[in-house]
This record gives sequence, C-alpha cells and structure tokens, in this order.
Amino acid sequence: AQKITQTQPGMFVQEKEAVTLDCTYDTSDQSYGLFWYKQPSSGEMIFLIYQGSYDEQNATEGRYSLNFQKARKSANLVISASQLGDSAMYFCAMRRYSSASKIIFGSGTRLSIRP
Amino acid sequence: NAGVTQTPKFQVLKTGQSMTLQCAQDMNHEYMSWYRQDPGMGLRLIHYSVGAGITDQGEVPNGYNVSRSTTEDFPLRLLSAAPSQTSVYFCASNRDSGSGANVLTFGAGSRLTVL
Repeated sequence: AQKITQTQPGMFVQEKEAVTLDCTYDTSDQSYGLFWYKQPSSGEMIFLIYQGSYDEQNATEGRYSLNFQKARKSANLVISASQLGDSAMYFCAMRRYSSASKIIFGSGTRLSIRP
Repeated sequence: NAGVTQTPKFQVLKTGQSMTLQCAQDMNHEYMSWYRQDPGMGLRLIHYSVGAGITDQGEVPNGYNVSRSTTEDFPLRLLSAAPSQTSVYFCASNRDSGSGANVLTFGAGSRLTVL
C-alpha cells in the first residue's frame, strides 16, 4: 500500500531564509511520481513541482527544488529565499505509474514566514 | 476555459439527508477524483475514475457513491449524511501526460456541514 508521511505539522521561518519541508513515502513500486502542492489561505490548490522515480536529476522550478533521496524514500521540498507569500499549507503527494489516476496526499505542513 | 467547476460552494445538511456534489471539467481529461480535506488529515482520496463508466474506490469511500456517465462530469453522492462527513470536498481532474507528471487540476472546493 502507498503512504505519504509529513512529520512537520507547522513551521516558522524568517523571511529570506531557506526552508526544507519533509516528506517520506512508502511504496513497493519501482515506478512512481512525487508531487508538491501549495494551498494558500484562499483555499486553492497550486501545483509546485514534480519528480519521477527514474529522474536522475533533482527537480527544480524557480525557488523550489525537490531533494529526492530514493534509497531513503524521501522527497523533501526546499524553498530558497522564502517570501511572505510562501505562507501556506504544503502537501506532498504520490502516484504509482501503474495507476495513473490514483494520487494520494500527505497530511500537510503549515509554513508561516516571519517578516 | 473554466477548468474544474464544483457546485455548490457551501452546503448545510441535516443528519440523514442526501445530496450530490457536482463536478464538471472542460479540459477533456480522462481522469477525475474526489478528495476530502480535514484539519490534520490532509487530502484523502474518496473515489476516482479513469474514464466514462469506470470508477474505483480510494482511501475513504464509505458513505459516498460516484458514477461517471460522461468524460466531463463526476458527481459525488452522499446517500445518508453523517456529521463525520463534515469536510471540504475537492474535485480534481488530470490526464496521462506520458511523462508521469499527471498534474491535478483542482476545483475551488465545496464546504459541507452536516448537523
């Protein structure tokens, strides 16, 4: 069975600092994909970044990067130079390649950026 | 394009009442899903569909029914509402991108309260 674990319910970070949000996953599949989504206080879900299990390089999208450690089954999100607008809930998610439509999520981390 | 449209945005029910949450997408996505979001629990997958006429159970299917008669629509039915079904419900759609990054497009959410 698949499982996503986010062990940080909440985090406070000073503006302009880098922050790492933890995500570990459990799957017996060899082929899978990992996602991060952001949910601001307005409630919409925003896709941030994707990493495939066979991708050799860690994914990057602007200030977001995904620290993928396959052997440890972790897919941490790194936000560089945090901004006040980064304050939001962040969710890690996973899909198995054998089940393209079934995507499961972790419990989320609430990130608060201090000015 | 409207993307994913959910109705209603808010609904209050009494225990035992039935209702249907509507979801429609205009992106010709083959996959559609329903999630519920509860504090501290993240998003949990209720049901999902890989195409018209094909649905499957997710992580928390009990108390919910779905059907998919068209590619565009994926309604979620509560046959006999219970207070435990008080939640925010998200409908989402995606397609097989071929790269594995089957990014979900979410609706705006439906807040349901069961008294």
